[in-house]
Amino acid sequence: NAGVTQTPKFQVLKTGQSMTLQCAQDMNHEYMSWYRQDPGMGLRLIHYSVGAGITDQGEVPNGYNVSRSTTEDFPLRLLSAAPSQTSVYFCASSYSGQNNSPLHFGNGTRLTVT
Amino acid sequence: GENVEQHPSTLSVQEGDSAVIKCTYSDSASNYFPWYKQELGKRPQLIIDIRSNVGEKKDQRIAVTLNKTAKHFSLHITETQPEDSAVYFCAATLYGNNRLAFGKGNQVVVIP
Repeated sequence: NAGVTQTPKFQVLKTGQSMTLQCAQDMNHEYMSWYRQDPGMGLRLIHYSVGAGITDQGEVPNGYNVSRSTTEDFPLRLLSAAPSQTSVYFCASSYSGQNNSPLHFGNGTRLTVT
Repeated sequence: GENVEQHPSTLSVQEGDSAVIKCTYSDSASNYFPWYKQELGKRPQLIIDIRSNVGEKKDQRIAVTLNKTAKHFSLHITETQPEDSAVYFCAATLYGNNRLAFGKGNQVVVIP
């Protein structure tokens, strides 16, 4: 199993541009989530999904959209990039959010918005 | 206040000594408490977790203890080694257990 795969690894955007961060998992996990990591702020939840067709907001959802059309994929869309969205983004999945099983993280996407 | 708080923010220990990191949480309904280790430039990886029906769990040099009454849980690392140097994050479930909230992390430095 590849686990959780994130692409791209690095990205530079100009203010106002849009882009999609890709996340895919091959473990048949029901639960998927997106976190952003900023220095001194820990990991903050952006959006999450407890199954295909179901998404919900986390702690810091503004400026981001998600969809979950399949169990495997959970892309994160930045609608109009802002410098405040410069961060490292981690996608994570688990067998079941309801059962509180361990989260498996991808390797992260480092995003810079100029 | 914060949903999950970690103390201290930075901890330096001599190789071979023990390290203890404490986390407090606010939601009395939380029932799952994992600890993650993140090395520089890498992804967070689970090292140990505990559920609310258990008071203590051990895995070799690592242990976690949970005090539900006081709403805090701690990570204990014994016989520390240089490879234990990393940032450690605690987390707790929130809002019906669909969300996992993380603390801000503890930088542990093991001095050879």
